[in-house]
This record gives sequence, C-alpha cells and structure tokens, in this order.
Amino acid sequence: DGGITQSPKYLFRKEGQNVTLSCEQNLNHDAMYWYRQDPGQGLRLIYYSQIVNDFQKGDIAEGYSVSREKKESFPLTVTSAQKNPTAFYLCASSIVKVGLAGFRDTQYFGPGTRLTVL
Amino acid sequence: QQQVKQSPQSLIVQKGGIPIINCAYENTAFDYFPWYQQFPGKGPALLIAIRPDVSEKKEGRFTISFNKSAKQFSLHIMDSQPGDSATYFCAASGAARQLTFGSGTQLTVLP
Repeated sequence: DGGITQSPKYLFRKEGQNVTLSCEQNLNHDAMYWYRQDPGQGLRLIYYSQIVNDFQKGDIAEGYSVSREKKESFPLTVTSAQKNPTAFYLCASSIVKVGLAGFRDTQYFGPGTRLTVL
Repeated sequence: QQQVKQSPQSLIVQKGGIPIINCAYENTAFDYFPWYQQFPGKGPALLIAIRPDVSEKKEGRFTISFNKSAKQFSLHIMDSQPGDSATYFCAASGAARQLTFGSGTQLTVLP
C-alpha cells in the first residue's frame, strides 16, 4: 500500500446522508485519483487531480465531489445524489514527470474503503 | 474507444502451471500497459509494465508479451504458486495519463 492511507476501512451510510472518505499520501506525488470497484468489474475513475486546487471529472463523477487543498490530501464525498454508492473505493497517487519514460502513470493504491448503504 | 477487454474472467490452475491472462485494446494512442495484482480487501499493486517498443518483458516469474499489430498483450505466470491466487487487472494509458482498466481475472492456483 506504500505511503497512501485511506480511512475508514469500513463505512456505513444511511440513505440520504453524505459521507466523506479520507485519502492521504506521503509520497510527495503530484497526482491523486479516486476509483470505484464493484464485484466483477474493473476500476472506474471517479475524479483525479494533477495539481493542488485543480481536479477533473472521471468516467463516473455524478453524485461525488472532491477537493484538493493540500498536495497530500484528496478527500472524496459521496453525496445523497449517488444512487448506488455501495462499493469498494480506492485512492491512488502517481508522479507526474513529463518525458520521464518508465515512471509515468505508475499509480500506487491505498488499502481502500468499503462503503455500505444501509 | 478507450476500452480494454480482459479475459478470462476466472482461471484455475494447478501449482506449477502457467496461467495466461489476455487483454486487448482499441486505442492506438495507448503507450503504457501495466498489470496490477489485487488480494481480497486490499488495494491493487503494480506487478509489471511494458511499453510498445518491446515485445516481451520479464520480471521474476511474471512475463508480459505484447503484440502491437494485434493490439493485444498478455500476462504469463511461470511456475505458479498458491500465493499467486489473486485478481489480476491489465490497464492502458496514453498521453492523458489516465489508466483504463480491464475487468479483472480471478486466478486460483491449487496446491
């Protein structure tokens, strides 16, 4: 899991509630990512950020929000607008070095947070 | 098209066997192809990666074979062990740096 921590490990949410998942990295990586993983499916990108105070929507951003106020932190909020939030959520980070072949795109993942809606 | 298609969905081999997992992509702009290994309840970990200027890369018991003209790449695990039992994901990315993942292969190595 490298230097990426996610908390909590398990999270239970009632319908209609917003919840925030924490992701912190001490790898001094520029880029951070949030993925959602459902059984039998690959990882789907929710949001990503390549620099502080800037982030971009991924493939399934609806019902989620993020912030990137510090380089080390990239919290994800699952809002009540997300209709099917029960899933395993993974945070990742990577170096962004233009032209440095071999290091580009190597993403390091945290241990994940399993969110269950009751 | 950004999709990466992975097969098979699940695979069972005996200890010492050579499981092979295949992936195919459509976007010719992809230029980085990593494989990730994931154990239950854990985050994926980078296993091995290849760029399209080589046809094969080995790291220990893990080998990637890459066929640029067919837009396919595969993972071979030599002398597989029960400890290799995990889910394996292929992925691909291009200049935009966003990884597109395959759907995963659940590998079981029987003792």
